[in-house]
Amino acid sequence: DTGVSQDPRHKITKRGQNVTFRCDPISEHNRLYWYRQTLGQGPEFLTYFQNEAQLEKSRLLSDRFSAERPKGSFSTLEIQRTEQGDSAMYLCASSRGLRGAGETQYFGPGTRLLVL
Amino acid sequence: QQQVKQSPQSLIVQKGGISIINCAYENTAFDYFPWYQQFPGKGPALLIAIRPDVSEKKEGRFTISFNKSAKQFSLHIMDSQPGDSATYFCAASRGNTDKLIFGTGTRLQVFP
Repeated sequence: DTGVSQDPRHKITKRGQNVTFRCDPISEHNRLYWYRQTLGQGPEFLTYFQNEAQLEKSRLLSDRFSAERPKGSFSTLEIQRTEQGDSAMYLCASSRGLRGAGETQYFGPGTRLLVL
Repeated sequence: QQQVKQSPQSLIVQKGGISIINCAYENTAFDYFPWYQQFPGKGPALLIAIRPDVSEKKEGRFTISFNKSAKQFSLHIMDSQPGDSATYFCAASRGNTDKLIFGTGTRLQVFP
């Protein structure tokens, strides 16, 4: 059973460019989460999907950010017109999403973004 | 608004010693409290978790103590090993969304 995978693992971009990250959750996991982690801090929730439906978005997710999960499997997170403040580790997690509260979230290795 | 406060920021323990990390939360609606372990360059991995109807949970060398009235919970690592050197995050979630609210992390170093 493979874990959560993310691609790319590292991304360096110039300010103003658009970037897209991909997350492949554990097979048959219905829930998929995106978090952002800056240096020395804990992960912060950005958004989550139940199957293909995006059910909640954090206020951290400005209109430059968009996430999709078109077929309820993999997900993409796009950042348009990147800013230096977007530099962070972007983490994806998935869970079964069957019982609701208290299910284990399995995290991927993250995509580290550096905006120059 | 920081809803989960974690301390200490860093911790140095000798091999074989006990590591204790504390967390406090504000929202009484939280109903799930996991601890995650993160190694450099890796994503967080679930270590152990507890619900508020239990005051203590033990798994191997790792124990969570939970004090509902004080809104506090802690992680105890017994017989700490150099391989335990990592950053530990407490977290909390509530209801059906399961979105995790993380503490700021504790960097643990265990010296042989």
